[in-house]
Amino acid sequence: DAGITQSPRYKITETGRQVTLMCHQTWSHSYMFWYRQDLGHGLRLIYYSAAADITDKGEVPDGYVVSRSKTENFPLTLESATRSQTSVYFCASSEVRTQYGYTFGSGTRLTVV
Amino acid sequence: GQQLNQSPQSMFIQEGEDVSMNCTSSSIFNTWLWYKQDPGEGPVLLIALYKAGELTSNGRLTAQFGITRKDSFLNISASIPSDVGIYFCAGQDFSNDYKLSFGAGTTVTVRA
Repeated sequence: DAGITQSPRYKITETGRQVTLMCHQTWSHSYMFWYRQDLGHGLRLIYYSAAADITDKGEVPDGYVVSRSKTENFPLTLESATRSQTSVYFCASSEVRTQYGYTFGSGTRLTVV
Repeated sequence: GQQLNQSPQSMFIQEGEDVSMNCTSSSIFNTWLWYKQDPGEGPVLLIALYKAGELTSNGRLTAQFGITRKDSFLNISASIPSDVGIYFCAGQDFSNDYKLSFGAGTTVTVRA
């Protein structure tokens, strides 16, 4: 299927566990992004990537790790999950220097108990 | 990132009403975009604005790129129940690697 897909859609994990959220896009977009959405905060950028093997921190990177070995995949890992990381996570992608904004996935709702 | 102030934070609509929301920034942007997020889904692009003063329509939606390049508004005319959701403004700065800065969102709910 064409587009940007995130998995899983829902995840419950325990405090201290490692969890990885997956993001896959089929357009060969250069740029990929990870956002978290929390009530009252809108969308906050966690990490982004301009190309394979190039990643950079966003606004709220602490506690998260990303990698991008292939253009189409951009996984987000919580190395030791905390309750404050309970959130909805969105992946997005875009072409280089586009004026057409980003295309978002459907999100992963993560609950840390 | 750059701070965008989006208002109102939430609003209730009655079917048939016109509604409006706006976004302001202390910085200028090259592009303004408006997204809508339906429950359980990711944001979807509604309208993109590329020039100061530009007024663009998409069906019942009308958006404007402010003359100062520091603000934008979105109007929805004759609202219908499926207009409920969260609307986000986003400003794009070409000098900042074309990255988007998002407002906190306006939650639109149907008035009972």
